[in-house]
Amino acid sequence: AQTVTQSQPEMSVQEAETVTLSCTYDTSENNYYLFWYKQPPSRQMILVIRQEAYKQQNATENRFSVNFQKAAKSFSLKISDSQLGDTAMYFCAFMKLEPGKLIFGQGTTLQVKP
Amino acid sequence: EAQVTQNPRYLITVTGKKLTVTCSQNMNHEYMSWYRQDPGLGLRQIYYSMNVEVTDKGDVPEGYKVSRKEKRNFPLILESPSPNQTSLYFCASSSPRADTQYFGPGTRLTVL
Repeated sequence: AQTVTQSQPEMSVQEAETVTLSCTYDTSENNYYLFWYKQPPSRQMILVIRQEAYKQQNATENRFSVNFQKAAKSFSLKISDSQLGDTAMYFCAFMKLEPGKLIFGQGTTLQVKP
Repeated sequence: EAQVTQNPRYLITVTGKKLTVTCSQNMNHEYMSWYRQDPGLGLRQIYYSMNVEVTDKGDVPEGYKVSRKEKRNFPLILESPSPNQTSLYFCASSSPRADTQYFGPGTRLTVL
């Protein structure tokens, strides 16, 4: 069975600085997707970034980028130029190619301080 | 606007009183899922559906039922709720390409 682990329950960062959230996963699959979701206080689940395992190039979306290490089964999220609106809980998630079955980590609460 | 809707958004009920949380999507997605979110556990899948009349258990199906009679709707049924089902519930849908799931706004359920 697949598992996803986020070992940092809480993190904080100063506005405009860079922060990295860690995620590791366990799977025997070779092809799969990885995601980072953001959950602000409104509780809405917002897709931040996704990575296909067969792509070696790390995904980037504006200030958000990932460091995908397939052999190490590591998938960290880097947030550059942190903004107050980035304050939220962040979830790492895994999905096999079989659609509709996301497996989530425990979440990391990120606070951006002014 | 493409969206997943859930109702109600908040619900307080008592043990044993049957309830249904509705979920509807307007994107013509084949795949729909229910998750529950609990502190320290992240989101866990309860049930999912790959199409009309096709449903299967997720990781935590005990105490829940679902149905998929129409493509757009996927209600979650708690026939005899218990306090351990107090949680935040999310419905989600995705297309066959399925590399992205769209989430509803969540339903906060409290069972007394």
